[in-house]
Amino acid sequence: KAGVTQTPRYLIKTRGQQVTLSCSPISGHRSVSWYQQTPGQGLQFLFEYFSETQRNKGNFPGRFSGRQFSNSRSEMNVSTLELGDSALYLCASRVAAGEGTEAFFGQGTRLTVV
Amino acid sequence: AQKITQTQPGMFVQEKEAVTLDCTYDTSDPSYGLFWYKQPSSGEMIFLIYQGSYDQQNATEGRYSLNFQKARKSANLVISASQLGDSAMYFCAMRGVSGGGADGLTFGKGTHLIIQP
Repeated sequence: KAGVTQTPRYLIKTRGQQVTLSCSPISGHRSVSWYQQTPGQGLQFLFEYFSETQRNKGNFPGRFSGRQFSNSRSEMNVSTLELGDSALYLCASRVAAGEGTEAFFGQGTRLTVV
Repeated sequence: AQKITQTQPGMFVQEKEAVTLDCTYDTSDPSYGLFWYKQPSSGEMIFLIYQGSYDQQNATEGRYSLNFQKARKSANLVISASQLGDSAMYFCAMRGVSGGGADGLTFGKGTHLIIQP
């Protein structure tokens, strides 16, 4: 069974640009969530989607947005990039919502903003 | 709000020894899940073990076990017979019910474990 696939793996963007990251969950998983990992702030929750609906959102500005398609694939968009958006962006999928369901992560997209 | 505290930024352990990684948590949710993840230098987060707040028994998965002490709000990870491949960052995380199970995971800062031959 294929794991969570994130594309691209590495990305370099210029300040002010926008970027779209993609995540394909494990087959059969309907929940996809996104996390930002930085050395200073650690791992922070961005948002979670279930059946194409955003279920929850972390404390991030509106420049960060996402969506989920009918096949459960998800995209995350960051507009007007800032230097501080440089981070490892991790996507995770779960078979369903619920506090006990484990999340399986992809290898991440490392975004560098210059 | 939930909080995870991992007090060991780094640990050096001899190969084949057992190692305990500390994790304490704070939450007002009546029900919650506790998780441990391993992150090698490649960046991928690898799920290791899960403990539900109402589980009576401590969770075990192969060489991993979770020492769950609910009254003390601790969920320490124990790795038995450590191997060189265990060298990685280890994160403790939790999710509560207040968001209908759709809360994101709250992570600790992590412990960098280095296994020495």
